[in-house]
Amino acid sequence: DTAVSQTPKYLVTQMGNDKSIKCEQNLGHDTMYWYKQDSKKFLKIMFSYNNKELIINETVPNRFSPKSPDKAHLNLHINSLELGDSAVYFCASSQNPRTDTQYFGPGTRLTVL
Amino acid sequence: AQKVTQAQTEISVVEKEDVTLDCVYETRDTTYYLFWYKQPPSGELVFLIRRNSFDEQNEISGRYSWNFQKSTSSFNFTITASQVVDSAVYFCALSEHIGGADGLTFGKGTHLIIQP
Repeated sequence: DTAVSQTPKYLVTQMGNDKSIKCEQNLGHDTMYWYKQDSKKFLKIMFSYNNKELIINETVPNRFSPKSPDKAHLNLHINSLELGDSAVYFCASSQNPRTDTQYFGPGTRLTVL
Repeated sequence: AQKVTQAQTEISVVEKEDVTLDCVYETRDTTYYLFWYKQPPSGELVFLIRRNSFDEQNEISGRYSWNFQKSTSSFNFTITASQVVDSAVYFCALSEHIGGADGLTFGKGTHLIIQP
């Protein structure tokens, strides 16, 4: 059974489009996250959600918006895509946001043309 | 602000050699958590270990071992008798107990290449 899943695995789109990436976890965790990994493999936190409440927004453009319909899902919506948004986006989940292990999804490779 | 430094960008060794990956961190907090993750060529992030700041005992898991030295703010990772399957990018990460950031702060990663 997949603990943290993301769809799609690959996403290729044109500049200016709006796209969404879905994430689901079946671990019963209270907190979910989105990370961005750039072309140099650097991983950076974008958002975290705890019990449907946004906890952190780390200098991310407001074109990016997380939406959590329930505790098991945290989707990432991106408006007006730019070339610089090309990256791998990872979803993760954990129980406690500051102390517990975060488990990651397989990643979504976004390519903006 | 918290910070994680992995000074070794890339390490290449021959199979069966031992190899140590360095991690140095900075934090203002007395309670914090350190992690290592592995990212193989397939791209997923695999959790390896979690260590809290109060537990300085070294940990061994098979061929993997971790040396946590609070005095030098280091959390190094050693692979004994390396194998080709160990080839991956390894990330050290830090989570503080207090502060505004609830996500992990990652180092830039060490690309480990094990040659047959």
